[in-house]
Amino acid sequence: QQQVKQSPQSLIVQKGGIPIINCAYENTAFDYFPWYQQFPGKGPALLIAIRPDVSEKKEGRFTISFNKSAKQFSLHIMDSQPGDSATYFCAALRSGNTPLVFGKGTRLSVIA
Amino acid sequence: SAVISQKPSRDICQRGTSLTIQCQVDSQVTMMFWYRQQPGQSLTLIATANQGSEATYESGFVIDKFPISRPNLTFSTLTVSNMSPEDSSIYLCSAERRLQETQYFGPGTRLLVL
Repeated sequence: QQQVKQSPQSLIVQKGGIPIINCAYENTAFDYFPWYQQFPGKGPALLIAIRPDVSEKKEGRFTISFNKSAKQFSLHIMDSQPGDSATYFCAALRSGNTPLVFGKGTRLSVIA
Repeated sequence: SAVISQKPSRDICQRGTSLTIQCQVDSQVTMMFWYRQQPGQSLTLIATANQGSEATYESGFVIDKFPISRPNLTFSTLTVSNMSPEDSSIYLCSAERRLQETQYFGPGTRLLVL
């Protein structure tokens, strides 16, 4: 059973566009939702994270929107650049020394 | 953030041999994890490395195949035993710092088994 469902699998946008990546979770015990960015040949790097007590969090050009009732959260990348081309993973965590549960990833390509 | 290093960064191994991957964190962390990532795929948790006790393995992974050690709060090893081509993958170490529910990842070890 996949606990975190991520879509789309791949995404191509023009430079300056706003790619949106969506994730849905099933376990209401999850209380921490990070996004990771991974470039080829590198390990995943924490990008931004949110807790369910807020509906939105913004860090630079990256924004997480969170809908607790729908059990969904999404990543928006404003003014996307070719350097944002990477694979993005959403994840969810339940407090208490438990490991992250990852989505399947979205491969983003930003073309000039 | 925690700085995590892994050795080796990559290796090519023969079928039937074993490889030990080392993971070093720059500060004390509470949790350490080992993941496997097939090319173009998501991360699959192999096990949680527990200090001073046996690792906790996920379904589909066993200690005889993936023995793990964690002798202290900043170091862990993963051994891939009796390797086959199906073990070719990226192996990632991850750590969670005390009181921070955030996992950081090492750069990964790229393993190719011939």
